[in-house]
Amino acid sequence: DTGVSQNPRHKITKRGQNVTFRCDPISEHNRLYWYRQTLGQGPEFLTYFQNEAQLEKSRLLSDRFSAERPKGSFSTLEIQRTEQGDSAMYLCASSPGRVPDTQYFGPGTRLTVL
Amino acid sequence: AQSVTQLGSHVSVSEGALVLLRCNYSSSVPPYLFWYVQYPNQGLQLLLKYTSAATLVKGINGFEAEFKKSETSFHLTKPSAHMSDAAEYFCAVMLYTGGFKTIFGAGTRLFVKA
Repeated sequence: DTGVSQNPRHKITKRGQNVTFRCDPISEHNRLYWYRQTLGQGPEFLTYFQNEAQLEKSRLLSDRFSAERPKGSFSTLEIQRTEQGDSAMYLCASSPGRVPDTQYFGPGTRLTVL
Repeated sequence: AQSVTQLGSHVSVSEGALVLLRCNYSSSVPPYLFWYVQYPNQGLQLLLKYTSAATLVKGINGFEAEFKKSETSFHLTKPSAHMSDAAEYFCAVMLYTGGFKTIFGAGTRLFVKA
């Protein structure tokens, strides 16, 4: 069990650029979650996968955000045409799928949009 | 709408004193409730979770929480604070809405004074 890993750990980009983050969950975990966390706030739910199926997506997620989990293993989160308001920590978590579900969090990717 | 409220963004206690971190939730259905902890420069990790098996839940590092349905509360306590308990604590509720969605509170930062 190597834990949940996220890459990159830090990303600095200019407004308008596209960015992509990767999350590698704990092997055999069939659920994968993405969250966004800003300073002084708790993690904000973005989306959730059961294997490769995206089952829930926050209404707060604009069309500029997209997430995939093509083979039910790793996942990517892409943000198109980044805005300064996208600056945050993006967290990934995975879980084995037993209710109630304990989520195992990765270290996060910190995005700074200049 | 479902929500989680953590009273007090900062709590300061002396080493050896009682720790009490407050959490209230609103949910139209019986929830699953969690407390997560985030140590400096580390990812979130589970402290404890309420599974409806028992209203008093014991977690790691001497923490426990009591589910009180009548008060819609899930407060976190520890009889005697240790310096190593200094961290940010998040209360969360998990709901099933076709997929699993977790809503986190804003967090409470615990300071422990020597």
